[in-house]
Amino acid sequence: EIVMTQSPATLSVSPGERATLSCRASQSVAYNLAWYQQKPGQAPRLLIFGASTRATGIPGRFSGSGSGTEFTLTISSLQSEDFAVYYCQQYNNWPLAFGGGTKVEIK
Amino acid sequence: EVQLLESGGGLVQPGGSLRLSCGASGFSFSTYAMAWVRQAPGKGLEWVSGITGGGGDTYYADSVKGRFIISRDNSKNTLALQMNSLRAEDTAIYFCAKTTTIVTPIDYWGQGTLVTVSS
Repeated sequence: EIVMTQSPATLSVSPGERATLSCRASQSVAYNLAWYQQKPGQAPRLLIFGASTRATGIPGRFSGSGSGTEFTLTISSLQSEDFAVYYCQQYNNWPLAFGGGTKVEIK
Repeated sequence: EVQLLESGGGLVQPGGSLRLSCGASGFSFSTYAMAWVRQAPGKGLEWVSGITGGGGDTYYADSVKGRFIISRDNSKNTLALQMNSLRAEDTAIYFCAKTTTIVTPIDYWGQGTLVTVSS
């Protein structure tokens, strides 16, 4: 079973600054990595799949990179609507697994 | 427009059973795999179960294997999760989710239904 570990647990960032979130897999998942955003009281929303491909309608300030076991989600210039919890998820092997999440909060 | 609407959540005693349903619209239901994902209060996401488009293959997290049964009725565009022998740790919001295959990301989520297991 693949374990996904996200860091940091909480990231304090000022609006307009860059945010860098990390996700590590316990074994290789190739490029089969997705990122989701979840706001309070809402369902998650798909941001990135295939480690680096933005989902439909996702702004260009969101970018993903990495392969194998190390992945990064970068938000180039944080907007007010970007403060949320972000989860990575591997879909290379069943059971599919989510990371524990990174909360991006206003500094 | 893709829509997923869950129902069936509520309060149930430990050891009891509950059946969740998810009505789907806006896409060719039988073409896509579906899944249930849950989120305990204040916690992260946990993949619970998945089912292929035709319903022939099902998958379960170890935490629910042998207690939960996923099924679908493609003639009615509905997904179901039969939950038996419920435990306090099953308390969560349960989301219905659409994927392309059983090993692809979730592209659409329902709003979730709350299941509370408590005496």
